[in-house]
Amino acid sequence: QKEVEQNSGPLSVPEGAIASLNCTYSDRGSQSFFWYRQYSGKSPELIMSIYSNGDKEDGRFTAQLNKASQYVSLLIRDSQPSDSATYLCAVNDAGGGADGLTFGKGTHLIIQP
Amino acid sequence: SAVISQKPSRDICQRGTSLTIQCQVDSQVTMMFWYRQQPGQSLTLIATANQGSEATYESGFVIDKFPISRPNLTFSTLTVSNMSPEDSSIYLCSVGGGGQGLREQYFGPGTRLTVT
Repeated sequence: QKEVEQNSGPLSVPEGAIASLNCTYSDRGSQSFFWYRQYSGKSPELIMSIYSNGDKEDGRFTAQLNKASQYVSLLIRDSQPSDSATYLCAVNDAGGGADGLTFGKGTHLIIQP
Repeated sequence: SAVISQKPSRDICQRGTSLTIQCQVDSQVTMMFWYRQQPGQSLTLIATANQGSEATYESGFVIDKFPISRPNLTFSTLTVSNMSPEDSSIYLCSVGGGGQGLREQYFGPGTRLTVT
């Protein structure tokens, strides 16, 4: 049974600070890793994907992957109140689009003005 | 990314009835997926829908309860059959592996189902 673990939070971060979200996964065969943002009452929105060890940066977002430790993280720099949402970590075995995703329960992030 | 629509956006249904949810994509995609998000929970994969073949169901989900159709590369339906209040959830379709090299998965807006 594949498992993806996240701290459910809430994680409270002051505006302008760095928010750090973490995720661990159980299946060593996992190849693709994703972070989705979900606002209340909305569907998940893909914000980052990462496939190889190391860091991947996109604007204020940085995803970090360590396959040896089975650990994925998301850093949000210069946090804004609009970043307040639930962040879902998801993994799968294949090239991302060809296989269903296993989701963590999500971390509720609150950015305090 | 693909533009995905779902119908209906929400519905309230009586127990014992069935509801068919439609998912339409604006471009051809290889893979379509159906997920369920129960209140306050994360997403759980129900099944993978490939065009021209039977859907592949995850453990705990069966075709009799959740029949799926995938008649072409831009459309799929999920039926929730013989509903009970436990079926009250948000049902989401996602797409991936498309002709444009979609490596990620993108979600539709979801269908909020309430069973009374």
